[in-house]
Amino acid sequence: DADVTQTPRNRITKTGKRIMLECSQTKGHDRMYWYRQDPGLGLRLIYYSFDVKDINKGEISDGYSVSRQAQAKFSLSLESAIPNQTALYFCATSDLTGSQPQHFGDGTRLSIL
Amino acid sequence: AQTVTQSQPEMSVQEAETVTLSCTYDTSESDYYLFWYKQPPSRQMILVIRQEAYKQQNATENRFSVNFQKAAKSFSLKISDSQLGDAAMYFCAYSLIQGAQKLVFGQGTRLTINP
Repeated sequence: DADVTQTPRNRITKTGKRIMLECSQTKGHDRMYWYRQDPGLGLRLIYYSFDVKDINKGEISDGYSVSRQAQAKFSLSLESAIPNQTALYFCATSDLTGSQPQHFGDGTRLSIL
Repeated sequence: AQTVTQSQPEMSVQEAETVTLSCTYDTSESDYYLFWYKQPPSRQMILVIRQEAYKQQNATENRFSVNFQKAAKSFSLKISDSQLGDAAMYFCAYSLIQGAQKLVFGQGTRLTINP
């Protein structure tokens, strides 16, 4: 089983719908991150969390919200999806010391029509 | 704010040849990490190599090596003896050693291997 699992793998939805992307990890890491990948822009940080009570905005948080339900679970929500949120979304984790590189899930490809 | 720039959107190389991917970054910090990630068509993000800024010695991992020039803020990736499996998108990334360790990525370079 993967250490960092993202669901769904792919999702197509319509403008205005509420969408939740889920991330769970078995690595026991405290830190979790959500990134968005767009062609020609690389990956950009949306939100990050150091524990269930610590949520921080990243570079492009507008239009998104997150929930850290437990140490192992970190969900990303689009309250009212719009077409320019079509992208590949990655969850990543790292340990509290930060001595090891971030470990990525396999991504969720989200298309908003 | 820190920025990472990859000026080569696409590169190609003949199988078994050597190719170098370029990356420059901007930061006022002195303690940081630099990374190269590989993203094959499967879209996984695979760490290729990591360099600590305080280390003068360039990192190497088998056929992958870097040329880290701290003063010039340059961090290039050399792939020797290129193989078909090296075909992928390559991302250069930066993070501070302390604090949130948020990754800042470059735009990516798509590498094609010609048989």
